[in-house]
Amino acid sequence: NAGVMQNPRHLVRRRGQEARLRCSPVKGHSHVYWYRQLPEEGLKFMVYLQKENIIDESGMPKERFSAEFPKEGPSILRIQQVVRGDSAAYFCASSMDRLNTEAFFGQGTRLTVV
Amino acid sequence: DAKTTQPPSMDCAEGRAANLPCNHSTISGNEYVYWYRQIHSQGPQYIIHGLKNNETNEMASLIITEDRKSSTLILPHATLRDTAVYYCIVTANNNDMRFGAGTRLTVKP
Repeated sequence: NAGVMQNPRHLVRRRGQEARLRCSPVKGHSHVYWYRQLPEEGLKFMVYLQKENIIDESGMPKERFSAEFPKEGPSILRIQQVVRGDSAAYFCASSMDRLNTEAFFGQGTRLTVV
Repeated sequence: DAKTTQPPSMDCAEGRAANLPCNHSTISGNEYVYWYRQIHSQGPQYIIHGLKNNETNEMASLIITEDRKSSTLILPHATLRDTAVYYCIVTANNNDMRFGAGTRLTVKP
């Protein structure tokens, strides 16, 4: 009964490179959420996807960030031309439904931009 | 811009009940009260949620006041492994979960 799997757990990128963060939801879950957590802060919502569709990206920076959840395969959070301020922990969560249900979180990917 | 107010920190003796309060005076009729916790730097872990009735599961109990403006999470017999940041969230759907600063609970031996 695998939970939400995120990889890599740790990612180091130089400024200007691209970062790709992967999230495999709980089997059978079609709702995926991405959050970002800066050091000593709470989680901030970024984007909500439901199989192949972006439903809510109100928390996503307008530039350099994109997310997808293809029909086959994991959800991907992509950050282009990373900057030092992108250094954070990125958490993915999944749920069976959007309403009145618990969300399961992965262990996160810690991105460090040097 | 979380919709809840929680004390920043609390201590609890091991084996005693931990009662974590949360104020949510602007809660809407269709919003649930959720509790998650984050141990060290791990991913948040779901604990419990409810709408207006008190709820209990194997981890905790959730007591919601009749006017729904506040709630209390109860860990009946706290252990050292319950040391974590506890987040109280009110939301009608999962993509509107706003994590505030939470309460840092320290369980002491």
